[in-house]
Amino acid sequence: AQRVTQPEKLLSVFKGAPVELKCNYSYSGSPELFWYVQYSRQRLQLLLRHISRESIKGFTADLNKGETSFHLKKPFAQEEDSAMYYCALAGGTSYGKLTFGQGTILTVHP
Amino acid sequence: KAGVTQTPRYLIKTRGQQVTLSCSPISGHRSVSWYQQTPGQGLQFLFEYFSETQRNKGNFPGRFSGRQFSNSRSEMNVSTLELGDSALYLCASSSGLPNDEQFFGPGTRLTVL
Repeated sequence: AQRVTQPEKLLSVFKGAPVELKCNYSYSGSPELFWYVQYSRQRLQLLLRHISRESIKGFTADLNKGETSFHLKKPFAQEEDSAMYYCALAGGTSYGKLTFGQGTILTVHP
Repeated sequence: KAGVTQTPRYLIKTRGQQVTLSCSPISGHRSVSWYQQTPGQGLQFLFEYFSETQRNKGNFPGRFSGRQFSNSRSEMNVSTLELGDSALYLCASSSGLPNDEQFFGPGTRLTVL
């Protein structure tokens, strides 16, 4: 069975502070990990995926297979980063199926 | 490119009724996945269709069904509605390649009274 855990429901930081959103997963095979984001009154959209290894809007995430984690990080948070963030896993040939964590609401205060 | 569209955006039904939700994918996408989102359970995968065939299915009762048409548009149907079926239903489209990025629609908010 595959499972994604985001331990923090809410995370508050001040503008300019570093932010880390935690994600741990459980999967027996080789996973594909994603971070999706939902800004206020917008639809869910992909932020980044581990295989692309790129930084989007200043965010990065490294897949740590030893710790089964895929934490999302940004060195200097901005107010526009305030949103709901979901970590998601796709496994093997599990077509079209994403297993989502419960989500973390990030609030960046001015 | 136009995004994923879902109709209707809001629905109110009573227990025991049935409901059909529609999803139009991004042009060229052949895969449509459906998810149920509730405050308690979060986002849960219902099923995925590709080229009119269901390729993957989540752990939902048989009251939840779907289909896909030759133009890749998809519908999902819920029969004998229960109060617990009240949720936001999201569809997502993709190319259909394994683990490809999914593009989500705005969702249909279903309320069962």
